Amino acid sequence: TQLLEQSPQFLSIQEGENLTVYCNSSSVFSSLQWYRQEPGEGPVLLVTVVTGGEVKKLKRLTFQFGDARKDSSLHITAAQPGDTGLYLCAGAWGGSNYKLTFGKGTLLTVNP
Amino acid sequence: NAGVTQTPKFQVLKTGQSMTLQCAQDMNHEYMSWYRQDPGMGLRLIHYSVGAGITDQGEVPNGYNVSRSTTEDFPLRLLSAAPSQTSVYFCASRASGGGLNEKLFFGSGTQLSVL
Repeated sequence: TQLLEQSPQFLSIQEGENLTVYCNSSSVFSSLQWYRQEPGEGPVLLVTVVTGGEVKKLKRLTFQFGDARKDSSLHITAAQPGDTGLYLCAGAWGGSNYKLTFGKGTLLTVNP
Repeated sequence: NAGVTQTPKFQVLKTGQSMTLQCAQDMNHEYMSWYRQDPGMGLRLIHYSVGAGITDQGEVPNGYNVSRSTTEDFPLRLLSAAPSQTSVYFCASRASGGGLNEKLFFGSGTQLSVL
């Protein structure tokens, strides 16, 4: 099983602050996804990145895939209380088309 | 469009009891999977299926059985529940065409407690 490290595990910030969440592996990803999960619900896909160096933006969220495809980051600008939730990265590696491995998640709390 | 439907939402079992967690999807997805989510452990794959009649093990399959007789349904069976199986269980599905780049659709989960 490939290991996928996500940091930080917990993050508590004030409304309006910026933050970055990281996702790393010692192996090259074939693709990587970011999900957001709210209490009592299943994760919901935010973005998929597949190309090294790729940057995708979703309103105030910016997703970056490392040039070597071993790491990814999620940056939130001017966080709002509605951004509160569990952010999960999920990686796929060559050799398996069916197994997606999830990180342990970053629990973000944005205080008003 | 209901998406992925899981039942029940909550369940309490005694050690040794058996039960089946139900999962149904109405998106004609070939791929379906079961994950468990534990504090500090993230989501871990239990079993998955790439089509009716085809199942395979994930990362943590012990103590769980699955079968896939139809495209729509993918039940997860606990034959003899143990306290270590206390967890939140998620069913997820996706279309197979794009492989792992495709979006996984999750159900809302089943919270299981084994006493």
